[in-house]
Amino acid sequence: NAGVTQTPKFQVLKTGQSMTLQCAQDMNHEYMSWYRQDPGMGLRLIHYSVGAGITDQGEVPNGYNVSRSTTEDFPLRLLSAAPSQTSVYFCASSYSWTSTDTQYFGPGTRLTVL
Amino acid sequence: AQTVTQSQPEMSVQEAETVTLSCTYDTSENNYYLFWYKQPPSRQMILVIRQEAYKQQNATENRFSVNFQKAAKSFSLKISDSQLGDTAMYFCAFMIPSGGGADGLTFGKGTHLIIQP
Repeated sequence: NAGVTQTPKFQVLKTGQSMTLQCAQDMNHEYMSWYRQDPGMGLRLIHYSVGAGITDQGEVPNGYNVSRSTTEDFPLRLLSAAPSQTSVYFCASSYSWTSTDTQYFGPGTRLTVL
Repeated sequence: AQTVTQSQPEMSVQEAETVTLSCTYDTSENNYYLFWYKQPPSRQMILVIRQEAYKQQNATENRFSVNFQKAAKSFSLKISDSQLGDTAMYFCAFMIPSGGGADGLTFGKGTHLIIQP
């Protein structure tokens, strides 16, 4: 049981490049989400999914796309990277969205956009 | 919309001392949950403690306890007998179980806690 895994751990992009941050969980969790963490701020929700084939926007979705073709995987795509997207990105999952389900976080991806 | 405020950007205490981290929140909801997460230098987000708003009894987990004041919308974390391994960023977070997770967890800006040897 690996929990929530994220790849890569670090990434440097040039403005305008695209890339996909990978997130996978092996706990059969239905609810998955992406957050970004900026200096001096808490985590903010980018996108979330309540199950395979279902995604929706969070607080800061602009510039990001997601898909959920399987229960296990929830990739985050940056279509045209901008310096404002320099941040640490966390993926999280839980069995469902209820009060009793603990959110499990991945180790994070540090992204720098030059 | 919910907001979470942590007014102490950084705190420093000596090992073995007791330290209290402050958190206030604002919501019009009556059913909600509060959490404290620890983020050590490894960046991993670790759940420290949770509190259900409908419970009057304060949650405790070993050396960690909370002081939950619902009327004042206050949710402070007390760490007793602090240890060097407690050095980390601590985030207060808020969750509404209804809404299907559309708001996710709402986090404060964090308090950087430093335990001095």
